Order: sequence, then structure tokens, then C-alpha cells
Amino acid sequence: DGGITQSPKYLFRKEGQNVTLSCEQNLNHDAMYWYRQDPGQGLRLIYYSQIVNDFQKGDIAEGYSVSREKKESFPLTVTSAQKNPTAFYLCASREGSGTGELFFGEGSRLTVL
Amino acid sequence: AQSVTQLGSHVSVSEGALVLLRCNYSSSVPPYLFWYVQYPNQGLQLLLKYTSAATLVKGINGFEAEFKKSETSFHLTKPSAHMSDAAEYFCAVSRSGSARQLTFGSGTQLTVLP
Repeated sequence: DGGITQSPKYLFRKEGQNVTLSCEQNLNHDAMYWYRQDPGQGLRLIYYSQIVNDFQKGDIAEGYSVSREKKESFPLTVTSAQKNPTAFYLCASREGSGTGELFFGEGSRLTVL
Repeated sequence: AQSVTQLGSHVSVSEGALVLLRCNYSSSVPPYLFWYVQYPNQGLQLLLKYTSAATLVKGINGFEAEFKKSETSFHLTKPSAHMSDAAEYFCAVSRSGSARQLTFGSGTQLTVLP
């Protein structure tokens, strides 16, 4: 079945450590997105990529980095510069541009101790 | 600029009762509007979307929403709640349909009481 796979589902890290969240899709979608979800705040866009080897900052990119070396993969690194990294992270993809549906992964919950 | 306001962070209904989740938006141009559902510890799933065609939009699982320009609203309804409808619901607006310009509301947690 086609879909988006995020891993790990749960992750615990110490303060000051960088962590990388994986996002893989087999939907052959061009565009991929990373969102952060905090209780009562909805989803906020961190980074997005519309084609391979290109990505753009979203609304809350500080303290995060991404790469897009392959169409199917869009990993997110939460760096030590991110002041409050504990959150639920969601990866999504979409076919091309326009009003196409966003398909979401099941999320990764990061807790920094 | 655009924004979305979901009235009521928590809504409780009895099984079989009407579900009404409220969403008001602001947008400087005709908007595209979406409702997504999220079950615990999962990603979001699209329920329905409005893209300037019919103002009454039917979605999955018996949900529908009506676009009312004069009220800047896009409320989500379902005639009869089922226990499986318990989840968090997000309204979202986009000026052009682009995901880059998608703004999400803060969500409404729906509880269905037996």
C-alpha cells in the first residue's frame, strides 16, 4: 500500500543533542512537508520541499534542518538550537501543486529530557 | 493575511446527536477551505474540502460542511454522531490551495458520549 512512513514513532533525547526524524513516501509525490504540532496550537509549517534538491523555510524553521536528496525521502533534524523541541512532528506529502490533498504520516513524538 | 478560528476547543455530544463543529476564517481573497480529522497519535486525514465549486461539500464518514461567504464560516456537521467519530478536528484555509499557504486552526476535540 502507498503511504508515508515516519520513524521513530517515539523518541527521547537529552538536551543539547541533535536528533533526526525520518520520513519516507512511496506515493511518488513531488512535494513534502514537515509540521510541528503542539497542544491547542494546531499545525505549524517547519520546512517544505517541492522538488528534489530544493527546500524552503516555513513559519518556524529556526533550530531545524532538512535535506531532499531523493524524491521519496525528506528527513528532519532537530538541532540543539531549537529552544523547545518537545512536540509531535508530522510529515506530509502532496502530488504537484494546486488543491491536492495532503497525505500525512502517523507522526513522531519527540521528548527532550 | 489569513486566519482560522475554531470556536470551542472541546465539544461533547451524545451518540446519535447532531455534530456541529464551528470554523470561521478570514482571507483577503476567495479561500480554499479544508477539514481534517486526527485520531490519537496519528496523522491527519482529509474529511472534505471546498474549492469554489458547490457551497455544500460532502465528505467521508457522513460529514458535510457549508461555505457561507457572508458569515465567513465553514462549519462541519454530521446528523448523527457515532462513537468512532471521537477525534480531533482541524479546519484549515489557504488563499490559493497551496500547502505552503495553508493555515490550520487550533483544533476541536470531539467527545461522543454513550
